[in-house]
Amino acid sequence: QSALTQPRSVSGSPGQSVSISCTGTSSDVGGYNYVSWYQHHPGKAPKLMFYDVNRRPSGVPDRFSVSKSGNTASLTISGLQAEDEADYYCCSYADSYTWVFGGGTKLTVL
Amino acid sequence: QVQLVESGGGVVQPGRSLRLSCAASGFTFSSYHMHWVRQTPGKGLEWVAVISYDGSNKYYGGSVNGRCTISRDNSKNTLYLQMNSLRTEDTAVYYCGREGQSSGYYMRAFDIWGQGTMVTVSS
Repeated sequence: QSALTQPRSVSGSPGQSVSISCTGTSSDVGGYNYVSWYQHHPGKAPKLMFYDVNRRPSGVPDRFSVSKSGNTASLTISGLQAEDEADYYCCSYADSYTWVFGGGTKLTVL
Repeated sequence: QVQLVESGGGVVQPGRSLRLSCAASGFTFSSYHMHWVRQTPGKGLEWVAVISYDGSNKYYGGSVNGRCTISRDNSKNTLYLQMNSLRTEDTAVYYCGREGQSSGYYMRAFDIWGQGTMVTVSS
């Protein structure tokens, strides 16, 4: 199972918007509505940001939004804040009761 | 509060074995599917294994299949990962994660994570 493809890094200034793409295949992202996104500050436990493509757990700011089209999912962060600086991972349920993560994207808030 | 705490990591020589544990608290452990996920140094997250709520079903990622065994003891609220024939490429932080539930179904996503335990495979 190959990792989902994410950009290695993105950056933006406070208040700006950034998007992170996550590209898979028809066996994972494109085949299921089970894409999730995680925010990971180094040294801490990852935090679930979205599941089932676009369901937001309580406590996740609505500055964060997601979408999916075909084999590609995307996470958009609007109104960037300093505390948004972290690593972001997408993940998809895949065939045969397996899961696959993206390689992770480092978000830098300039 | 809802919490997962991993333990059992350390430095081990290639070819040896190690058992990781994950102690759960603050929720009904026996109702949830549980996972192991790892993060290799400088790289991203990699899904390792899942075990169903009752332990009857287990599935593994390709890189550990055949070398690792996931298990659980619901009477002790504890998840395990037995790792055998360890390789240098198994060096990683190992996280346990709970597969969340929403409206009575399993989310296929990990809503609670532990802080991780470091495994270093080196001679």
